[in-house]
Amino acid sequence: AQSVTQLDSQVPVFEEAPVELRCNYSSSVSVYLFWYVQYPNQGLQLLLKYLSGSTLVESINGFEAEFNKSQTSFHLRKPSVHISDTAEYFCAVTPRGRRALTFGSGTRLQVQP
Amino acid sequence: GAGVSQSPSNKVTEKGKDVELRCDPISGHTALYWYRQSLGQGLEFLIYFQGNSAPDKSGLPSDRFSAERTGGSVSTLTIQRTQQEDSAVYLCASSLTSGTDGELFFGEGSRLTVL
Repeated sequence: AQSVTQLDSQVPVFEEAPVELRCNYSSSVSVYLFWYVQYPNQGLQLLLKYLSGSTLVESINGFEAEFNKSQTSFHLRKPSVHISDTAEYFCAVTPRGRRALTFGSGTRLQVQP
Repeated sequence: GAGVSQSPSNKVTEKGKDVELRCDPISGHTALYWYRQSLGQGLEFLIYFQGNSAPDKSGLPSDRFSAERTGGSVSTLTIQRTQQEDSAVYLCASSLTSGTDGELFFGEGSRLTVL
């Protein structure tokens, strides 16, 4: 079985400051990793994913995440956040070959002016 | 529609009543998922449909929960004899492929409140 731990339920940060949202997972097999974002009053949408290859993956809006196998982590980072990044962020994992994603409990990012 | 559509968006019911939640996936998507999001919790997998294959029901929390998918498209999640602990947001998602590298597209959810 897999599990995902998002240690921070809320992360307040000022606009233009850097941010890191932490995600750790446990699995006995190789996994795919995902970050989903839920903006206020919207459905979840994929932000970025790691399937194979380069351990650093990027999104189109400046977020990046690095797969660290030894630390079983997939932390999400952005060097400078905007007000529009205010949302809830979910880390998810699934073993290769499975279908259902296991999600973390989410981290609410609150960007303040 | 362009996205995954769920109805109703909000449902308030009394304990012991049955409820039905509907999901209309993106046209052409063969895979359909139901998840449950409780306050302060992550998304809990409930059930997965892929084409005409038998659904993966491994996440259903009890036999009061069931789901069907008619014609490979619309899905209905039914909760019988609702309990207060069933209160949550029920999310439906669809994807173009069955592989886990496929992106899931989520609806906005159906918020269920059991009094």
